[in-house]
Amino acid sequence: AQSVSQHNHHVILSEAASLELGCNYSYGGTVNLFWYVQYPGQHLQLLLKYFSGDPLVKGIKGFEAEFIKSKFSFNLRKPSVQWSDTAEYFCAVTYYGGSQGNLIFGKGTKLSVKP
Amino acid sequence: GAGVSQSPRYKVAKRGQDVALRCDPISGHVSLFWYQQALGQGPEFLTYFQNEAQLDKSGLPSDRFFAERPEGSVSTLKIQRTQQEDSAVYLCASSSRTGWATGELFFGEGSRLTVL
Repeated sequence: AQSVSQHNHHVILSEAASLELGCNYSYGGTVNLFWYVQYPGQHLQLLLKYFSGDPLVKGIKGFEAEFIKSKFSFNLRKPSVQWSDTAEYFCAVTYYGGSQGNLIFGKGTKLSVKP
Repeated sequence: GAGVSQSPRYKVAKRGQDVALRCDPISGHVSLFWYQQALGQGPEFLTYFQNEAQLDKSGLPSDRFFAERPEGSVSTLKIQRTQQEDSAVYLCASSSRTGWATGELFFGEGSRLTVL
């Protein structure tokens, strides 16, 4: 079955530290890739997406992600985190030819940023 | 509306009760999805509507789960004879797109169901 793996369950960083959250998806052909974020008490919202083209994509709030096809990875990065980045981050994928484009999510990584 | 609206936000049910969860998507959005998110897990797909047509219900865990979107806008997820394992947050999401480009979804805040 198609799946998404997020390597870290909970990451704790101090402000200004660099962030990298790992995401791997199972092989299944052509994919669209997403990172969603859920701030405390809020709904899931799109952080960034990759459909095609430049494998380095930039999202909101200084986040970026790199699609490495050979590694089936789509890691999320930010050079310097802020306390306001405290949230849960979900990697997600849709597979071309998959079920009507529904998202397959990873289990999420909770990020806690200490002020 | 400005976003996807779900109600109730919280629901406590006794085992065996029926529940109905409502989703009001962004106006004009063609695609509507329901997801189930258990504690500590990512959202898992339940069902998908394109307008009023339920095109995929492969994620519904049992025949106790039923969803409808009769007029292609508001959707209701119904769970009959609730069980403790049904306790989860039920998320609704919508998109103006169809097909495999619908992954850019707009989510509601969810309905948290607790079955005692």
